[in-house]
Amino acid sequence: GENVEQHPSTLSVQEGDSAVIKCTYSDSASNYFPWYKQELGKRPQLIIDIRSNVGEKKDQRIAVTLNKTAKHFSLHITETQPEDSAVYFCAATSYNTDKLIFGTGTRLQVFP
Amino acid sequence: DTAVSQTPKYLVTQMGNDKSIKCEQNLGHDTMYWYKQDSKKFLKIMFSYNNKELIINETVPNRFSPKSPDKAHLNLHINSLELGDSAVYFCASSLDRNQPQHFGDGTRLSIL
Repeated sequence: GENVEQHPSTLSVQEGDSAVIKCTYSDSASNYFPWYKQELGKRPQLIIDIRSNVGEKKDQRIAVTLNKTAKHFSLHITETQPEDSAVYFCAATSYNTDKLIFGTGTRLQVFP
Repeated sequence: DTAVSQTPKYLVTQMGNDKSIKCEQNLGHDTMYWYKQDSKKFLKIMFSYNNKELIINETVPNRFSPKSPDKAHLNLHINSLELGDSAVYFCASSLDRNQPQHFGDGTRLSIL
C-alpha cells in the first residue's frame, strides 16, 4: 500500500538558518502533497501544499519542491525563527485512494 | 467561530466503557474524516465520509463506528474501550475529496 517516508525525525537549527525536511512516497498515482505544522498540544495546521502538475511553490519563508520522477518532495524553511519550532508532517494522496497518508513527522527545534 | 469543533476535548474513562466523540464543521465542506494520533505522534486515517457516504474505512476494530447524520457532522462511537485506544482523535474536513483538510482541536482519550 501507499507509504510516505520522512527524514529527519529531529532537526535542530540556529535562528536565522534554513531547515529542510524530505519525504518520499511510494504510490506513483499520488497527486496532492500537503505539509502540516503541529505545535505541542495543538491540531495539525496546513502550511503549504503542492499538486503534481507543479514543481515548486513558495509562500514567504516556506517553499515546497516536488520531483515526480524520483517521488520526492521537500519542505524548505528559510530564516527560521523560534516560533517555527514544532512537528512538521508531510502527506500524500491520490484520487485512486482518497486517503491522506502522513509521514512520521519531523520535530524541528529553532534555538535563539 | 471555530471551523471544525470536537467535543469533548478530554475524555477519561475506564476500560470496557462505551463512549462517543462528536465533530461538527461550519465550513460547508462535503468530506469529513477521523484520524488517530498515537503516543509516537503517528497520524493515521480511520474513516472518511463524503456527503454522508462512507468512502474510507481503514483496518479499524469494529468496536469503532462512525455516524454521519448530515454533511456537517461526523461522530465516532467506541464500544468496549481498551487500553490501546488511548490516543488523540482528530476530526477533519475538506471541501471535497483530495482537497486541503482542516483539523479540529482533537479529543484526548485516556483509558484507565
